[in-house]
Amino acid sequence: DAGVIQSPRHEVTEMGQEVTLRCKPISGHNSLFWYRQTMMRGLELLIYFNNNVPIDDSGMPEDRFSAKMPNASFSTLKIQPSEPRDSAVYFCASSDNSGANVLTFGAGSRLTVL
Amino acid sequence: RKEVEQDPGPFNVPEGATVAFNCTYSNSASQSFFWYRQDCRKEPKLLMSVYSSGNEDGRFTAQLNRASQYISLLIRDSKLSDSATYLCVVNHPNAGKSTFGDGTTLTVKP
Repeated sequence: DAGVIQSPRHEVTEMGQEVTLRCKPISGHNSLFWYRQTMMRGLELLIYFNNNVPIDDSGMPEDRFSAKMPNASFSTLKIQPSEPRDSAVYFCASSDNSGANVLTFGAGSRLTVL
Repeated sequence: RKEVEQDPGPFNVPEGATVAFNCTYSNSASQSFFWYRQDCRKEPKLLMSVYSSGNEDGRFTAQLNRASQYISLLIRDSKLSDSATYLCVVNHPNAGKSTFGDGTTLTVKP
């Protein structure tokens, strides 16, 4: 298995632009998580899906952020419009809901908003 | 108060030293616990699960104290390659989500 695949690995954009981050979970995993990591705030859960349904989006910072999971093998996190304070590493992770909820992370998308 | 708290360190130890990290959690109903390791500019990866009876994996020992709501990780005979950030993770009861501590940074020096 190729693991959790995220794209792009790096993105530099200007304030006000739309950013779309993509994630392909491990095949057979039915839970998907989006985390954001910064030096100041550590690793924060933004939203998670179970069987493609959003379960908890309480960590989504504001309306500029949205996430979708149209099928079991794909999810997007969109920021529109982006702001410099959105600069962070965004991780996608998946788990198989076997009870222990062990997460496998993707390599992350490093976002810089100028 | 954060749900999961760790001493951020940094811990700077010589090779061969024994080092211990602690982590406390606030939700007494939490069900499962883990230690993850994160190398610089990489993703977190599972190091080991933590069981009530304590568990060991080579040089690493993890323990859980439910009464005091803390988790520990002991690394014996530390190696240069152990240098990383160690994240304590707590799973919420009846929910699918995990809460991460801010991590403890370890640097092992020759």
